[in-house]
Amino acid sequence: AQSVAQPEDQVNVAEGNPLTVKCTYSVSGNPYLFWYVQYPNRGLQFLLKYITGDNLVKGSYGFEAEFNKSQTSFHLKKPSALVSDSALYFCAGRGYQKVTFGTGTKLQVIP
Amino acid sequence: GAGVSQTPSNKVTEKGKYVELRCDPISGHTALYWYRQSLGQGPEFLIYFQGTGAADDSGLPNDRFFAVRPEGSVSTLKIQRTERGDSAVYLCASSQGDEQFFGPGTRLTVL
Repeated sequence: AQSVAQPEDQVNVAEGNPLTVKCTYSVSGNPYLFWYVQYPNRGLQFLLKYITGDNLVKGSYGFEAEFNKSQTSFHLKKPSALVSDSALYFCAGRGYQKVTFGTGTKLQVIP
Repeated sequence: GAGVSQTPSNKVTEKGKYVELRCDPISGHTALYWYRQSLGQGPEFLIYFQGTGAADDSGLPNDRFFAVRPEGSVSTLKIQRTERGDSAVYLCASSQGDEQFFGPGTRLTVL
């Protein structure tokens, strides 16, 4: 069975510092990988996706993610965090099967 | 243009009752997904429609859950004989490619 793991329940980072939110995956076939963000009382919003091609994927709001096949990881990154980035972030993956989401990581950017 | 909408936004019902949750996808999106999100968890896949037919219903937890999409647009998730364990946020998403667009969800509370 495919799975997506987000090992950190919460990540705290100071405003202006780089941030990383971790994700590892186990999916069959060539993975399709996604990051979504969820703000309070709002639906999930798409940030970025990896399907094929360059391992570094750039997405919305200055976020990027690096696909690492050997480590089966797809960590979300941003060079300089903003307070407004504080939200719940979900990694998701799909191989031959349906999309599977991780349990989410709460990002807290401290002013 | 309008995004995915879901009605009602909140639904409180009693154990044993029947409920219907509605999803209006983005116009033209052929794929429609239902997920269930419990507190502190990521979205859990329930069912996926491609057009009018259910392409994958492997996530439905039991035969009390059923979903339809008769005209390939609006979808209704139906839950019979609700149980307290059904309490969650039910999310709908639509897509016309790899990226899914999520609605704000329906918060179902079974007393």
